[in-house]
Amino acid sequence: QQQVKQSPQSLIVQKGGISIINCAYENTAFDYFPWYQQFPGKGPALLIAIRPDVSEKKEGRFTISFNKSAKQFSLHIMDSQPGDSATYFCAASARGGSNYKLTFGKGTLLTVNP
Amino acid sequence: NAGVMQNPRHLVRRRGQEARLRCSPMKGHSHVYWYRQLPEEGLKFMVYLQKENIIDESGMPKERFSAEFPKEGPSILRIQQVVRGDSAAYFCASSPVRTNTEAFFGQGTRLTVV
Repeated sequence: QQQVKQSPQSLIVQKGGISIINCAYENTAFDYFPWYQQFPGKGPALLIAIRPDVSEKKEGRFTISFNKSAKQFSLHIMDSQPGDSATYFCAASARGGSNYKLTFGKGTLLTVNP
Repeated sequence: NAGVMQNPRHLVRRRGQEARLRCSPMKGHSHVYWYRQLPEEGLKFMVYLQKENIIDESGMPKERFSAEFPKEGPSILRIQQVVRGDSAAYFCASSPVRTNTEAFFGQGTRLTVV
């Protein structure tokens, strides 16, 4: 059972454009939703995260939009740059005793063309 | 403060051999989490350890896989009698407390079984 579904699988954007990656979850116990950025040969690095008490969080060019009723959240990268080319993973974790355990989406390979 | 250190970065094993993957957490971190990333998949939780204790091994295959985090030294993920399906990237993360919100990932060990 895939608890976090991520789309698209790959995305090509022109420099300066907006990159949008979507995720949907099933487990209503999830209460923490981070996005990770992974460059080839590297480990995932936390990019930005949100909790369900807010509908949007912005950090620089990166914004998370969260829709609790639809159980969906998305990452928007404004003014996309070639250096943003990487694989992006959404993830989720539940409150309570297993709050340490992250459930990841399958990832989106973003390519930003110069 | 060095990050999470994993070694080796790349490991090639023949079917039937043993693989030992090491993870040294960040200084001051006593919680370690192992994740496996199969090709074109997201990371999947395997095990959570504290010093000398396995807290949650619900994501570990029941056979051939074991993990430890001794009082002194790195955490070890051990795979006995490796098979081709074990080929994957194995990441560990560490945190100062029991949480994922402050967890940092290492660069991973890429295991190839030939």
